[in-house]
Order: sequence, then structure tokens, then C-alpha cells
Amino acid sequence: EVQLLESGGVLMQPGGSLRLSCAASGFTFSSYAMSWVRQAPGKGLEWVAAISGGGESTYHADSVKGRFTISRESPKNTLYLQMNSLRAEDTAIYYCAKSHTVATTYLDYWGQGTLVTVS
Amino acid sequence: EIVMTQSPATLSVFPGERATLSCRTSQSVSSNLAWYQQKPGQAPRLLIYGASTRATGIPARFSGSGSGTEFTLTISSLQSEDFVIYYCQQYNNWPLYSFGQGTKLEIK
Repeated sequence: EVQLLESGGVLMQPGGSLRLSCAASGFTFSSYAMSWVRQAPGKGLEWVAAISGGGESTYHADSVKGRFTISRESPKNTLYLQMNSLRAEDTAIYYCAKSHTVATTYLDYWGQGTLVTVS
Repeated sequence: EIVMTQSPATLSVFPGERATLSCRTSQSVSSNLAWYQQKPGQAPRLLIYGASTRATGIPARFSGSGSGTEFTLTISSLQSEDFVIYYCQQYNNWPLYSFGQGTKLEIK
């Protein structure tokens, strides 16, 4: 059974840094691209970042480019999101999600999310 | 950037009837479009991919259609648990995903 478990969400002050983690199980982690998607309170879904299965390629939304960095550690089956220079508008639930293939396609499994509050 | 437009923002339908949700993209995404369902307090769940293929375990009352820039999610014979929020997402312009703003399906 595929499971994705996010952690690391906390209350932060603007300008601070934070690293989110997503522990994956139930599939061959290095064979699938992964993404972070966020959802501000009462709002829709916003794609944040994606990383290829092998980790050699990373992609970030313009809204976080230069501040957030996605990475993965395959031996630990863990996805990360390093978040620097946090702003109030980064307040959201952050979901990690598994892509259907090694490249970025539709997202077939999602974690339950971790809440980041910047205030 | 591909802009996704879902309509309507809110759709009111009687239980047991059919709901038709629309998603339009600012440029062609071929059939590289997915639909997700999100219940309150839960993560999104994949419903449809490739514009028309149901994901594993999704009931047959959910169907998707369309290609290019116009897509439709149809839910026939609405059940109480279907009155939640639905999002479309394009993955043609990978790796840059984009989501629609969502359609809330409410009981009439």
C-alpha cells in the first residue's frame, strides 16, 4: 500500500527557514517523480515543486523559485522541501504527491499534508 | 503558463441527478488532464487521468471527456458523498503543472 507521510509543518515568523519531509513507503521510491502541492486556507491547489525519479531534475513554481528547494534521499525514501525567506503568503497545507511515472505526470497518491503557518 | 478555468465555481444539483463540471485550458493540453476530488479536511484524490480514464477504485458514475482545451467531468446519479470540491489539472506542460480553481458541488 502506498503511503506518504508529511512532517515538519509549524508556526514560523516571516523570513524564517523550514524543512518539510515526506516519508514514502509501499513503492519503489526512486522510480517515480514526486511533487509538493500547497493549499492556502480556504483556497485551491497550487503546485509548488517537482523532482524526477532519480533526483537529477528539479522544477519550482515561479512563486517559490529562489526561496524553496525540492530534494530527495532515495536510500531513506524521503522527499524534502527546504523553505527559506518565508512569507505570510506561504501559509498553507503542504502535500507531497507521487507522480504516476518517473517523469512528472498526474499525481496518483497524496499524503495527508502538513500545515505551515507564517505569521 | 497554461491557465485553467473551471466552471461553474459552485454547482447546485439534486441528489440522484447528473452533474456536469467544465474545465477549460488556455492552450491545448491534448488529453493530458486529470480530475481530483477533495473532501473537507482530506487530501485530494485522483478520479480521472488521460481526460477519460477512471483511476483505480473510482465508481463508474464518474466519467471524463474532452481533449484539446475543453474538458468535462460528469457525475451521474449523485450520491451524498459526491457533494465536495473538484479540481482539474493539466500535465501536458510538464513539469509545470497547473490546477483549476475548483468547482464546489452542493446539494440543491
